[in-house]
Amino acid sequence: GQNIDQPTEMTATEGAIVQINCTYQTSGFNGLFWYQQHAGEAPTFLSYNVLDGLEEKGRFSSFLSRSKGYSYLLLKELQMKDSASYLCAVMDSNYQLIWGAGTKLIIKP
Amino acid sequence: SAVISQKPSRDICQRGTSLTIQCQVDSQVTMMFWYRQQPGQSLTLIATANQGSEATYESGFVIDKFPISRPNLTFSTLTVSNMSPEDSSIYLCSVDDRGRGYTFGSGTRLTVV
Repeated sequence: GQNIDQPTEMTATEGAIVQINCTYQTSGFNGLFWYQQHAGEAPTFLSYNVLDGLEEKGRFSSFLSRSKGYSYLLLKELQMKDSASYLCAVMDSNYQLIWGAGTKLIIKP
Repeated sequence: SAVISQKPSRDICQRGTSLTIQCQVDSQVTMMFWYRQQPGQSLTLIATANQGSEATYESGFVIDKFPISRPNLTFSTLTVSNMSPEDSSIYLCSVDDRGRGYTFGSGTRLTVV
């Protein structure tokens, strides 16, 4: 079966750095997405990785290792507004998105 | 990026009734996706809607319960039929935003009482 694993919840301090991990087992791979979802709102696109390595976009970076079936989202200089759920999703060989359950990130002052 | 207008944003419905959710996109898209998200859970794909053909439903979802219309390349509706409390959820439409990831509508929070 297809499976995406990410931690259920993480806590971090304002101004700090946090890394949210995602491991996946899917039938084929056509890219990995990270989304941010604030409570009661729709998910918003953060990043897309299809090749191994690190993609940096401002305070957010996303890393992919296809051989390990692993990705992480790195958030730097955390702000209170970063409190949200972060969803990892993999596009399989049928170009269907498989979603993780999301990681709820709590930022403390 | 694409902008999706989804409505209603929320509704409280009586069991046994039906609710139709609408999504309007500001650009033409080939496929529109309908998701359900229950509290604290992952997104679950209900169906994929193509213009001019019947929607493709995922395992566990049937057309009689979730009929979908796709009359043109910018609009789609999802109906939740004969509702029960188990249908209480957030329903989201989504489109592939041409290399800018998948864009979602603002969601419809449905409560069935």
